[in-house]
Amino acid sequence: DGGITQSPKYLFRKEGQNVTLSCEQNLNHDAMYWYRQDPGQGLRLIYYSQIVNDFQKGDIAEGYSVSREKKESFPLTVTSAQKNPTAFYLCASRTQGIYTFGSGTRLTVV
Amino acid sequence: KQEVTQIPAALSVPEGENLVLNCSFTDSAIYNLQWFRQDPGKGLTSLLLIQSSQREQTSGRLNASLDKSSGRSTLYIAASQPGDSATYLCAVFSGGGADGLTFGKGTHLIIQP
Repeated sequence: DGGITQSPKYLFRKEGQNVTLSCEQNLNHDAMYWYRQDPGQGLRLIYYSQIVNDFQKGDIAEGYSVSREKKESFPLTVTSAQKNPTAFYLCASRTQGIYTFGSGTRLTVV
Repeated sequence: KQEVTQIPAALSVPEGENLVLNCSFTDSAIYNLQWFRQDPGKGLTSLLLIQSSQREQTSGRLNASLDKSSGRSTLYIAASQPGDSATYLCAVFSGGGADGLTFGKGTHLIIQP
């Protein structure tokens, strides 16, 4: 079945560490997105990519980085510059205005 | 900048009731509007997608309407069941230079058995 796979489901980060969240899709979608979800704040766009080897900052890109070397993959790195990384992270892909979401990664700073 | 508001923020009703969730958006220049369901700790499941040229979409007990000119959408749930308990998110896709969906903060729905 086609879909989006995010891993890991749970991730713990120590202060000062960089961590990478994986997002893989087999839907053959060109566009991919990363959102952050905090309680009471809804989803906010971190980065998006409309095509391989190209990506753009979203509304809250500071402290995050991405790459898009393959159409299927859009990993998100949470760097030590992100001061409040504890959140639920959702990856999505899009075709013709229709979005499909992964099951999310919960990141906690310990 | 597009803003999406969902009312109410939370709702608790007895099983069997019909209910309406509301969504409003500030910029009517949208391509489509989607309603999603999110269970605790899970990703988003798409429920209904309404294109800007459409007035409503139906799937089973769910019906979503769109009034683009007034910037409003409603999600109607008929004969609610405990399994409908979840957070319901409304999102608009405006396309153009600002990519990505703009989400409301959601309505947390509890259906009492």
